[in-house]
Amino acid sequence: KQEVTQIPAALSVPEGENLVLNCSFTDSAIYNLQWFRQDPGKGLTSLLLIQSSQREQTSGRLNASLDKSSGRSTLYIAASQPGDSATYLCAAPGGTSYGKLTFGQGTILTVHP
Amino acid sequence: DTAVSQTPKYLVTQMGNDKSIKCEQNLGHDTMYWYKQDSKKFLKIMFSYNNKELIINETVPNRFSPKSPDKAHLNLHINSLELGDSAVYFCASSQDHGTSGFQETQYFGPGTRLLVL
Repeated sequence: KQEVTQIPAALSVPEGENLVLNCSFTDSAIYNLQWFRQDPGKGLTSLLLIQSSQREQTSGRLNASLDKSSGRSTLYIAASQPGDSATYLCAAPGGTSYGKLTFGQGTILTVHP
Repeated sequence: DTAVSQTPKYLVTQMGNDKSIKCEQNLGHDTMYWYKQDSKKFLKIMFSYNNKELIINETVPNRFSPKSPDKAHLNLHINSLELGDSAVYFCASSQDHGTSGFQETQYFGPGTRLLVL
């Protein structure tokens, strides 16, 4: 059974800082991993999907890495902005149901002006 | 041109009632999902359909019954609503469910906030 853990649970930083969000998963037999963003009262927005054959995936100021052997993924946000404030969720598939995503608890990010 | 839409956005009802939530995607995807996000913001999958066929059915009370009339729609019917059913229900879709081993990105709807009184 896949289990996903995210650290830290909450993070508050001043604008402009570079920051790292961590995700760990127990079942390393994954084919990819997804990072999502959720704004208060809203649905989830997919940020990055990183395939197991990739070590990194980049989109703008976001960079996600995946290390299957250690069961870890990180989301790096460069030059953070107040608009980045949201909950960031990591999700990994598990078992034989490839469409079944297991989500972490999320990291609540607050970026102060 | 909303990709994944859900109706209603808010639903307030009494215990014991039966209610339905509708989901539609215009992305041409083959796979759709229902997730539940509880008060602690923990998101958990409930069901998944691929081309109208049920492929994921988590341990969910049988009061919850999904129905997929076509691959663009996945509705969720809930019988005899209980207080514990209060949550946000999200619909999502993806191109496929990863039978090739490469799961596609899942696109989420805005959520339906259900409150059972």
